[in-house]
Amino acid sequence: DQQVKQNSPSLSVQEGRISILNCDYTNSMFDYFLWYKKYPAEGPTFLISISSIKDKNEDGRFTVFLNKSAKHLSLHIVPSQPGDSAVYFCAASEGDGGSQGNLIFGKGTKLSVKP
Amino acid sequence: NAGVTQTPKFRILKIGQSMTLQCAQDMNHNYMYWYRQDPGMGLKLIYYSVGAGITDKGEVPNGYNVSRSTTEDFPLRLELAAPSQTSVYFCASSYSKRSRGQFFGPGTRLTVL
Repeated sequence: DQQVKQNSPSLSVQEGRISILNCDYTNSMFDYFLWYKKYPAEGPTFLISISSIKDKNEDGRFTVFLNKSAKHLSLHIVPSQPGDSAVYFCAASEGDGGSQGNLIFGKGTKLSVKP
Repeated sequence: NAGVTQTPKFRILKIGQSMTLQCAQDMNHNYMYWYRQDPGMGLKLIYYSVGAGITDKGEVPNGYNVSRSTTEDFPLRLELAAPSQTSVYFCASSYSKRSRGQFFGPGTRLTVL
């Protein structure tokens, strides 16, 4: 039973255009969401996060939007660059107590940005 | 500052063999984690530690053991390797759970034949 779902295994975008990566979740107790970027043969690297008390967080070319009522978040990359080509993982956690706060990951979306 | 380091990078095991995957971090992080990533899947938590001497099970702990004798090191032990343990293993660390931006190592690709 997947609690974090990334339904698009891949996405192809032209350089300079917007990339939109989507993520849905089922656990209403999740209160913190993160996006990680992963290149082949490397570990994931933290990209951006958002708390459930916000609906938007922006960092340079990257913006994450959270729609709690729809249990949906998205990552926007504008403008997309060839170096953004990677697998993007959505992750969520439901608080700090005990085992909570551990991250639940989606399966990832492979983004290809074409020059 | 090396961050999170993992050894070995690659390993092939025969069924029934045992091995230890090494993980070390030099950021003085309290929290350390072991994940596995199967092809086409997300990362799944095997074990985690909130500090030296304290470990706990994650989502998929069966077939693995861990220890945390120092802040820096968090080795993962596979006993009696099985083909189902063929995966890429990632170690990660963070200052606290609240930081939640975990730093990952480069991974160990393990094949069990």
